[in-house]
Amino acid sequence: GNSVTQMEGPVTLSEEAFLTINCTYTATGYPSLFWYVQYPGEGLQLLLKATKADDKGSNKGFEATYRKETTSFHLEKGSVQVSDSAVYFCALSDQKNAGGTSYGKLTFGQGTILTVHP
Amino acid sequence: DGGITQSPKYLFRKEGQNVTLSCEQNLNHDAMYWYRQDPGQGLRLIYYSQIVNDFQKGDIAEGYSVSREKKESFPLTVTSAQKNPTAFYLCASSSRTGTFQYFGAGTRLSVL
Repeated sequence: GNSVTQMEGPVTLSEEAFLTINCTYTATGYPSLFWYVQYPGEGLQLLLKATKADDKGSNKGFEATYRKETTSFHLEKGSVQVSDSAVYFCALSDQKNAGGTSYGKLTFGQGTILTVHP
Repeated sequence: DGGITQSPKYLFRKEGQNVTLSCEQNLNHDAMYWYRQDPGQGLRLIYYSQIVNDFQKGDIAEGYSVSREKKESFPLTVTSAQKNPTAFYLCASSSRTGTFQYFGAGTRLSVL
């Protein structure tokens, strides 16, 4: 079955530090990969996504590259801010509709808590 | 504004009681999902529905039930058979042509 493994947290950084959160996956075929972010007491928001190998997703200064050879989708940001403090989830979807776009169930990693101090 | 509305935000259940969590979307999405989130864990799929009047069990369906009578609504009932219901419940939806799921703000369920 599908699985997603994230680096264990929590991660604590000072403002302007470099961030990496590792994510590796196991799936059949060619899944789509996602990073979601959850702020305290809220639901999940899509942060970025990549639908095929070598795609780079980016948003709000965060980036992740779909590496099929290493089955990884690590999240990076060059300079974190206090407002980036949240829980980050890596996820995959391997169901495709007739048009070839991903559609359906998500498999999540366990989440990584990020705390950024001023 | 389009989105997903979950209610209530907080819910308390007594022993032996069934409770129903509401999820409504106005995004015209075909598919809807229910996830359970426990502290320090990822999200686990409870039930999902890809079309009206049809739904499938997810990974942890025992003790839960759902219905999908309308496209915009996908209520989740936590039955008395669910012995450990305390968790954060998240509803999501997606379209057939979209590539990701939208999430509601969640309902936090606790046992009295």
